[in-house]
Amino acid sequence: GQNIDQPTEMTATEGAIVQINCTYQTSGFNGLFWYQQHAGEAPTFLSYNVLDGLEEKGRFSSFLSRSKGYSYLLLKELQMKDSASYLCAVRDYGGATNKLIFGTGTLLAVQP
Amino acid sequence: DVKVTQSSRYLVKRTGEKVFLECVQDMDHENMFWYRQDPGLGLRLIYFSYDVKMKEKGDIPEGYSVSREKKERFSLILESASTNQTSMYLCASRRATGRSSYEQYFGPGTRLTVT
Repeated sequence: GQNIDQPTEMTATEGAIVQINCTYQTSGFNGLFWYQQHAGEAPTFLSYNVLDGLEEKGRFSSFLSRSKGYSYLLLKELQMKDSASYLCAVRDYGGATNKLIFGTGTLLAVQP
Repeated sequence: DVKVTQSSRYLVKRTGEKVFLECVQDMDHENMFWYRQDPGLGLRLIYFSYDVKMKEKGDIPEGYSVSREKKERFSLILESASTNQTSMYLCASRRATGRSSYEQYFGPGTRLTVT
């Protein structure tokens, strides 16, 4: 079956570092994505990992271990505007196009 | 900048009504998607289209149909709206091949309430 797990909620302090974990079990794998979604808005793309290792992009980094079915999103120097839901998604093989399978999202609250 | 637009941000319909949700993208993307998003369930794929007049069922197609007559437009149709279709509906598009084909762009969403 297809399963993507991530924590429902997390709280962190402004200026700190937070790590949001994601584990997955899917029938196929063609990349893992992280999206950010502010309340009432559309998800926006943050990162994409298809090979093992760490991808860094400014304050955000994403890590992938395909053998462990595991990824994390690391947010450094947290700001209040980082309060949002973070969605982990796996690109599966399927049909004529690769579908994204989403986790339920992790709601991050950044406190002063 | 890629732009994905949806016809309405908020919509209220009555049970049994036929509902059309429209999505338009301006980047000549081949692939388009319709999702619904519900608390605790995340984003679930309803239907997708990998090219004009092509469509495939997603994970929860029951009660929905779609139309893709032009490349830029992908419509979601609720044949007879029911209260359990009250949800946030998100459209997305993506290039099928090439360097940026992994990045999927979302529209702002339509919050549909069926009473």
